[in-house]
Amino acid sequence: AQSVAQPEDQVNVAEGNPLTVKCTYSVSGNPYLFWYVQYPNRGLQFLLKYITGDNLVKGSYGFEAEFNKSQTSFHLKKPSALVSASALYFCAVREDSSYKLIFGSGTRLLVRP
Amino acid sequence: DGGITQSPKYLFRKEGQNVTLSCEQNLNHDAMYWYRQDPGQGLRLIYYSQIVNDFQKGDIAEGYSVSREKKESFPLTVTSAQKNPTAFYLCASTPESRYNEQFFGPGTRLTVL
Repeated sequence: AQSVAQPEDQVNVAEGNPLTVKCTYSVSGNPYLFWYVQYPNRGLQFLLKYITGDNLVKGSYGFEAEFNKSQTSFHLKKPSALVSASALYFCAVREDSSYKLIFGSGTRLLVRP
Repeated sequence: DGGITQSPKYLFRKEGQNVTLSCEQNLNHDAMYWYRQDPGQGLRLIYYSQIVNDFQKGDIAEGYSVSREKKESFPLTVTSAQKNPTAFYLCASTPESRYNEQFFGPGTRLTVL
């Protein structure tokens, strides 16, 4: 069965410092991986995805993520954090044979001024 | 939030009442989804539909019903059989492809009084 783990409920970082939000997954086939961001009382916004090809994926708002097949991870990164990036971040995975997205439990990012 | 609208934004229901949440999209997407979001649990799939007049149960379909009479519309009814309906409900849509990200509406917050 597909599953996604986001091991950190919250990540705290100072503005200007690099940030990482962790995600690991489990699927039986090829994984299609996604990151979304959610601001309070809003829907989810798509940030980036990995389907195939280059392991480093670049997305919206300066975010990037690295696909690591051996570690089954897809960590979200940003070289320099902004206060405006404070929000709830979700990792999601879709298996090759399925139309369903499985979401992690979310990680709250807090960027301090 | 793209071309997906959900209404109302806030909804209050008395116990024992059915209530219908609206979801409309003008993106010409084939597939539509309903998720429930509870604190600390990420998003859980209620129902999804890949084409008009067809839909499948997700992981937590009990106490919910849907219809897909038009491509643009995918209303969700929360019935009195749903024992704990207070939650944030999100609708999403995607073009017909496993490679595509889902586009989310702004959500409806349902509170049972």
